[in-house]
Amino acid sequence: DTGVSQDPRHKITKRGQNVTFRCDPISEHNRLYWYRQTLGQGPEFLTYFQNEAQLEKSRLLSDRFSAERPKGSFSTLEIQRTEQGDSAMYLCASTLDISGYTFGSGTRLTVV
Amino acid sequence: KNEVEQSPQNLTAQEGEFITINCSYSVGISALHWLQQHPGGGIVSLFMLSSGKKKHGRLIATINIQEKHSSLHITASHPRDSAVYICAVRFGTGNQFYFGTGTSLTVIP
Repeated sequence: DTGVSQDPRHKITKRGQNVTFRCDPISEHNRLYWYRQTLGQGPEFLTYFQNEAQLEKSRLLSDRFSAERPKGSFSTLEIQRTEQGDSAMYLCASTLDISGYTFGSGTRLTVV
Repeated sequence: KNEVEQSPQNLTAQEGEFITINCSYSVGISALHWLQQHPGGGIVSLFMLSSGKKKHGRLIATINIQEKHSSLHITASHPRDSAVYICAVRFGTGNQFYFGTGTSLTVIP
């Protein structure tokens, strides 16, 4: 297991289209987090799973955003009807307990 | 309000200089992360600490719980240390970390 993998690395989409990102965490990690990072800012929390249960969602996560972790392994983050303001780096992190994170390399979304 | 502040925002140093990056937070924490982010987005965890001091190679992280402050030191800085350094804290028994805006470090040969 080489760490947290995110796919794709880059995504350019037209405004109004739907996009889906995937995160494969470290296999034994039961907690998975999605963060969003805009230029010059630190990552902002979006949502968190413990196994397959989505336990916490940020108010940043509008109804156009949905995340799943169906079998408690990989997770997907879908954005419907994308807007230019959704352009950001979407980061996934996983951990076995709350003590420390392992981050993926992120998916950079550009909405044109 | 849970707040994490870092200083300086930007830092340029000559190769070999001793570097200090600071992180302050508003309320009691249970853990603090120092992270390194290179251009292109990948984030690497450097240290996770809740008290005292940790050292790894040329990097040293300290935390003062009473003063709600942590520092990341880089000794004998090198151009490959150029990156954004981010402080992240977990407040109390919360499930997530809150991130500072980062310190952009450039080390000039």
